Amino acid sequence: GQSLEQPSEVTAVEGAIVQINCTYQTSGFYGLSWYQQHDGGAPTFLSYNALDGLEETGRFSSFLSRSDSYGYLLLQELQMKDSASYFCAVSGATNKLIFGTGTLLAVQP
Amino acid sequence: DAEITQSPRHKITETGRQVTLACHQTWNHNNMFWYRQDLGHGLRLIHYSYGVQDTNKGEVSDGYSVSRSNTEDLPLTLESAASSQTSVYFCASSTRTSGQDTQYFGPGTRLTVL
Repeated sequence: GQSLEQPSEVTAVEGAIVQINCTYQTSGFYGLSWYQQHDGGAPTFLSYNALDGLEETGRFSSFLSRSDSYGYLLLQELQMKDSASYFCAVSGATNKLIFGTGTLLAVQP
Repeated sequence: DAEITQSPRHKITETGRQVTLACHQTWNHNNMFWYRQDLGHGLRLIHYSYGVQDTNKGEVSDGYSVSRSNTEDLPLTLESAASSQTSVYFCASSTRTSGQDTQYFGPGTRLTVL
């Protein structure tokens, strides 16, 4: 089967750096995606990693290690507006995504 | 601009009633998905479609059905609503580019079954 694990909650202060980890078990792995969801809103795409290494998009970076079945999302220069839930998701040979249960990030002043 | 919409945004119904949730996308994506989101469970896939006349069951499909008669729409039907189906429902569409699936989500429908 397929499964993903990520922490349920993370707390950090404004201006800090936070890392949200994701470990997965899946067959036919293509890539790891990250989505952000603000309370009451729709999930929105943040990043995608198919190859090992770090992908940077502004304040957000995402890392993948295929050999370790592990990835993380790194958020720098945290802002209050970054308070949200963050989901990792794996994609395989089909066009489906399997989502983790999400990490609730609370940014404190 | 392309978008994906859902209606209604909020729905209250009674146990045993049939309910249909609408999803409409103007991205011209072949792939469409229905998820439900409950506390502690993240996003769970209900049904999905890879194109017109194609439908497939996801991990939590019991009690739900979909049909795909055109590219733009994938309505989700609850045949006989149950209290366990109280949830927030999200529709999404996607296209695969270079192996990457980016899903675009609708605003969600909050369904309450009394």
